[in-house]
Amino acid sequence: EVQLVESGGGLVQPGGSLRLSCAASGFTLSDHYLDWVRQAPGKGLEWVGRTRNKANSYTTEYAASVKGRFTLSRDESKNSVYLQMNGLRTEDTAIYYCARASYASGSYYFDYWGQGTLVTVSS
Amino acid sequence: DIQMTQSPSSLSASVGDRVTITCRASQGIRNDLGWYQQKPGKAPKRLIYAASNLQSGVPSRFSGSGSGTQFTLTISSLQPEDFATYYCLQHNSHPLTFGGGTKVEIK
Repeated sequence: EVQLVESGGGLVQPGGSLRLSCAASGFTLSDHYLDWVRQAPGKGLEWVGRTRNKANSYTTEYAASVKGRFTLSRDESKNSVYLQMNGLRTEDTAIYYCARASYASGSYYFDYWGQGTLVTVSS
Repeated sequence: DIQMTQSPSSLSASVGDRVTITCRASQGIRNDLGWYQQKPGKAPKRLIYAASNLQSGVPSRFSGSGSGTQFTLTISSLQPEDFATYYCLQHNSHPLTFGGGTKVEIK
């Protein structure tokens, strides 16, 4: 059974750092793209970033709102993907979801999602 | 960046109603569009991929259509468990962009 479990959320002051983890099970992580999507309280969904699979050299993409502050990485030995968040701002407050993106009909679509982890940036 | 304009932002409907939600892309995205359903306090769930392909296990009352810049999600006969928020997402180019969401409420 495919599972994604996020952890690492919490309360952090503006300017601080936090590292989120997404633990994957039930599939071979290196074969898949993993994305992060966030949702501010009461708001819609916002795509944050992507780490591609081994076949695509684990390259990454980021939303403009987080580029230069957030960094994606993987540890295949731990079946985990990480989102390092630096320089946090109050507007980064959100539930952060990791989602597996699988290839279908010409593009990559999210087929499994984690339950999310809440990040609160406040003084 | 590709902008996704989703409408309506909310709607009220009764059980058994036919419901249509639309998404318009600011530029052509072929059929690289997915529809996702989100219930309160839950992660989103994929309903449709590649504009018109039904995710395995999703009821056949859900259907998607469109290509290029205009896309539609249709629920043929609304059921109590369908009251949720629906999002379109373009998967054509980075950054990926969501529509603003459509909240489907009970009339």
